[in-house]
Amino acid sequence: DGGITQSPKYLFRKEGQNVTLSCEQNLNHDAMYWYRQDPGQGLRLIYYSQIVNDFQKGDIAEGYSVSREKKESFPLTVTSAQKNPTAFYLCASSLQLGQSYGYTFGSGTRLTVV
Amino acid sequence: AQSVTQLGSHVSVSEGALVLLRCNYSSSVPPYLFWYVQYPNQGLQLLLKYTSAATLVKGINGFEAEFKKSETSFHLTKPSAHMSDAAEYFCAVILDTGRRALTFGSGTRLQVQP
Repeated sequence: DGGITQSPKYLFRKEGQNVTLSCEQNLNHDAMYWYRQDPGQGLRLIYYSQIVNDFQKGDIAEGYSVSREKKESFPLTVTSAQKNPTAFYLCASSLQLGQSYGYTFGSGTRLTVV
Repeated sequence: AQSVTQLGSHVSVSEGALVLLRCNYSSSVPPYLFWYVQYPNQGLQLLLKYTSAATLVKGINGFEAEFKKSETSFHLTKPSAHMSDAAEYFCAVILDTGRRALTFGSGTRLQVQP
């Protein structure tokens, strides 16, 4: 079955460390997205990618980095510059950017700084 | 700038009662509007979407929403709540210009009392 796989499901990071969250899709979607979810704040866009080797900053890109070397993969790195990284991170994809295409979401990674 | 406002961070209904979750959008151009549902520690699932084909949109699990341009609203309803409807619900908007990525409301947590 096609879908989006995020790993790991739970991740613990020490302060000052970089960590990378994995996101893989086999839906043949061009567009991919990373959102951060905090209680009471909904989902906020971190980065998005319209196509391979291209990505754009969202609303809260500071302290994060991404790459899009393959169509299927869009990993997110949470760097030590991110002041408050503890959150639930969701990856999504859509056939193309914009219009009425619905998004398919992964099951999320919960990151905790210890 | 596009945005959505969800009125009420928590809504509680009795099983069998009407469910009404409110969403208002701000956009100077016709938007595409979506409702998503999230169960604990999971990703988001698309309930329904408005893409200008019809103002009354029917979705999965008996939910529907009506687009009212004069009120800039897209409220989600279900005639009779089930215990399994308890979850968090997000309204989201996308435009066909500019960034063209989903912008989410802050979410409404629905509780269903037996």
